[in-house]
Amino acid sequence: EAQVTQNPRYLITVTGKKLTVTCSQNMNHEYMSWYRQDPGLGLRQIYYSMNVEVTDKGDVPEGYKVSRKEKRNFPLILESPSPNQTSLYFCASRWGGEQFFGPGTRLTVL
Amino acid sequence: QKEVEQDPGPLSVPEGAIVSLNCTYSNSAFQYFMWYRQYSRKGPELLMYTYSSGNKEDGRFTAQVDKSSKYISLFIRDSQPSDSATYLCAMSEGGYQKVTFGIGTKLQVIP
Repeated sequence: EAQVTQNPRYLITVTGKKLTVTCSQNMNHEYMSWYRQDPGLGLRQIYYSMNVEVTDKGDVPEGYKVSRKEKRNFPLILESPSPNQTSLYFCASRWGGEQFFGPGTRLTVL
Repeated sequence: QKEVEQDPGPLSVPEGAIVSLNCTYSNSAFQYFMWYRQYSRKGPELLMYTYSSGNKEDGRFTAQVDKSSKYISLFIRDSQPSDSATYLCAMSEGGYQKVTFGIGTKLQVIP
């Protein structure tokens, strides 16, 4: 089954404690990206990657890091999380006009 | 001004009605136009996309793009209570470029 998986699905952490959210896809897509979704602001792209070792900033990259060392994986790293990064995060992979989303990670930073 | 504008609603319609959802945009370089459906607590699900301009139909859903007016639409025929969800439009200049979403329109279909 074609899918995008994310882990963990839920995470509560404290300010400043580094964390990583993993993302993996099995569709052999070159393009992967991370979004955050906030009430009243909608879905906003954080970072995207066009291929292995190629990434670019989206609309809200501040406070986030990404790496793309393998085609199937695209982890999101928060090196020093802050409360304003409390949000619902989605990973996605894309081929042309077809973009598929993971189930989401609900992150709370206290 | 946002690059993609979408009325957040909510929009309530009776079962069986034709629903029209719309987005406007300002970037004339957009080439991919996508529509997603998102149920509460779930990830967005791609409904359909069009490349460049024109119409596309898939079952009860029809997507239209009018590049001259920078306006896209999604029509849902014979709406069902199961269509109750938030509908998001999204656009991109190319297959490897940034994707910009509208804020989403919340639709409720009343039995």
